[in-house]
Amino acid sequence: QKEVEQDPGPLSVPEGAIVSLNCTYSNSAFQYFMWYRQYSRKGPELLMYTYSSGNKEDGRFTAQVDKSSKYISLFIRDSQPSDSATYLCAMRLSYSGAGSYQLTFGKGTKLSVIP
Amino acid sequence: NAGVTQTPKFQVLKTGQSMTLQCAQDMNHEYMSWYRQDPGMGLRLIHYSVGAGITDQGEVPNGYNVSRSTTEDFPLRLLSAAPSQTSVYFCASSPTAGGYGYTFGSGTRLTVV
Repeated sequence: QKEVEQDPGPLSVPEGAIVSLNCTYSNSAFQYFMWYRQYSRKGPELLMYTYSSGNKEDGRFTAQVDKSSKYISLFIRDSQPSDSATYLCAMRLSYSGAGSYQLTFGKGTKLSVIP
Repeated sequence: NAGVTQTPKFQVLKTGQSMTLQCAQDMNHEYMSWYRQDPGMGLRLIHYSVGAGITDQGEVPNGYNVSRSTTEDFPLRLLSAAPSQTSVYFCASSPTAGGYGYTFGSGTRLTVV
């Protein structure tokens, strides 16, 4: 079992739809959770981050972490064609301890928002 | 503009050749790292550095060397290129080793024939 599982898609939605992207993980020691957006032939850019469990909202984006289920989500409201990209989840152990610097990434979900 | 600069953007190598991928950041970040991204495999950590003079191995270090003589630069050396090293390579940096706001470069697309 991979440490982080993410459905690669592709996911295609009409403009204005609510998009739900998800990752599951197996290591209960992960404490920091991130979502990156990667446009074609570009580097990933940080979109959202959360620490431990809970929700975080930033404009049209909401990140949720459910540590009891080892499940994280990213919701995009009122999706736009400019949201078309690959979305990568990433997670990290708490700051102290061996290997804590490493980010473990999901494989990414490719999203297309159709006008 | 401030950020992470990678050169070259594209490179074709013959099997057995060596080369250095360059990475420079102008944000005074302590932490720098190299990832490779392959279809179906996601991003995998090759090497990382928590400061000048300090480097360590990541998940897939074989065939690669790094050094960090300055805060700004973190080159990745391929010692003897193999077709299995065909990939897109990303350099990333963060203000501290414990930070999670990694800034990625735009990548180097490497093909080994």
